[in-house]
Amino acid sequence: GKSLEQPSEVTAVEGAIVQINCTYQTSGFYGLSWYQQHDGGAPTFLSYNALDGLEETGRFSSFLSRSDSYGYLLLQELQMKDSASYFCAVRSATNKLIFGTGTLLAVQP
Amino acid sequence: SAVISQKPSRDICQRGTSLTIQCQVDSQVTMMFWYRQQPGQSLTLIATANQGSEATYESGFVIDKFPISRPNLTFSTLTVSNMSPEDSSIYLCSVEKGGTQYFGPGTRLLVL
Repeated sequence: GKSLEQPSEVTAVEGAIVQINCTYQTSGFYGLSWYQQHDGGAPTFLSYNALDGLEETGRFSSFLSRSDSYGYLLLQELQMKDSASYFCAVRSATNKLIFGTGTLLAVQP
Repeated sequence: SAVISQKPSRDICQRGTSLTIQCQVDSQVTMMFWYRQQPGQSLTLIATANQGSEATYESGFVIDKFPISRPNLTFSTLTVSNMSPEDSSIYLCSVEKGGTQYFGPGTRLLVL
């Protein structure tokens, strides 16, 4: 089976940097994705790591270590609009996404 | 990218009835997925719908409860059958395109 664990909640202030961790146990692994979901909205794609290392997209970066079955999403220069739920997701060989438990990020002024 | 629409956006239903949710994509895609997201929870994959073949269901989900149609490469339906209050959830359609998975706005279902 598959399981992906994330911290349930993270709180940070505007302008700060926050890291959201994801550990996974899967029988098949073809990459780790990150999605953002605002309350009442659809999940939107943020980042994808197929190989070990850091991927940077603007204020957001994502890291993967396949040997440690671990990844994280790094959000820099936090803004109030970044308050949302963040999900890691493992991609299977058949392009299915299995989602993590989700992290609710609260950005405070 | 892919733009996905779902109908209805929300509904309130009585237990024992069925609801069919429609998903329309603005381009042809091979794989469409149906997810369920219960309040405050993560997304759980219900099934994968491929055009021209039967849907593939994940553990815990069965065709009798969640029949799926995929008549062409831009459209799919998910039916929630014989509903109970436990089926109250957000149901999301998703497609894979260009290596990225895109999601529809979801259908909020409340079963009384």
